[in-house]
Amino acid sequence: AQTVTQSQPEMSVQEAETVTLSCTYDTSESDYYLFWYKQPPSRQMILVIRQEAYKQQNATENRFSVNFQKAAKSFSLKISDSQLGDAAMYFCAYRSTTDKLIFGTGTRLQVFP
Amino acid sequence: GAGVSQSPRYKVTKRGQDVTLRCDPISSHATLYWYQQALGQGPEFLTYFNYEAQPDKSGLPSDRFSAERPEGSISTLTIQRTEQRDSAMYRCASSFNTRETQYFGPGTRLLVL
Repeated sequence: AQTVTQSQPEMSVQEAETVTLSCTYDTSESDYYLFWYKQPPSRQMILVIRQEAYKQQNATENRFSVNFQKAAKSFSLKISDSQLGDAAMYFCAYRSTTDKLIFGTGTRLQVFP
Repeated sequence: GAGVSQSPRYKVTKRGQDVTLRCDPISSHATLYWYQQALGQGPEFLTYFNYEAQPDKSGLPSDRFSAERPEGSISTLTIQRTEQRDSAMYRCASSFNTRETQYFGPGTRLLVL
């Protein structure tokens, strides 16, 4: 069975600085998708970024980028120029090609002015 | 619709009562998922639909939980004889198909007293 591990329960960053959130996963599949979702205090689940495993190029969405290391089964999220609005719970998630999402336990990010 | 909607947003019920939660997916989306999220945890898969078919209900915790999507659009999740441990956020997500990104609704927060 696939598993997702987020080893950092909490992280903090100064406004305008860069922070990296870690995620590792375990799977025997070769074709899958990885996601980062953001959950602000409103408890909405907002898609931040998505990565297809067959793509070698790391996904980027504005200030958000990932470091996808397929062999190491690692999928970290880098937030550049952090803003107060980035404060939230961040969930890493795995999905095989035709299946449900499997989430990690989340990392709470605090942003200090 | 423009996004996934869920109702009610909050539900308080007494132990032993039945509750029904509703999800209205994005109109073009064939696939609909239900997740349960306990406080401080990531969402956990309950079941999903592809149109009106329900290929996987392996995540339903007991036979008190059931879901349906009779016309391949709106879905309901019913919990019979609620127990305090059923208290959680129940999230619905939809995607164009099983390979595409899942978009989440705002969730229904259920409290069983």
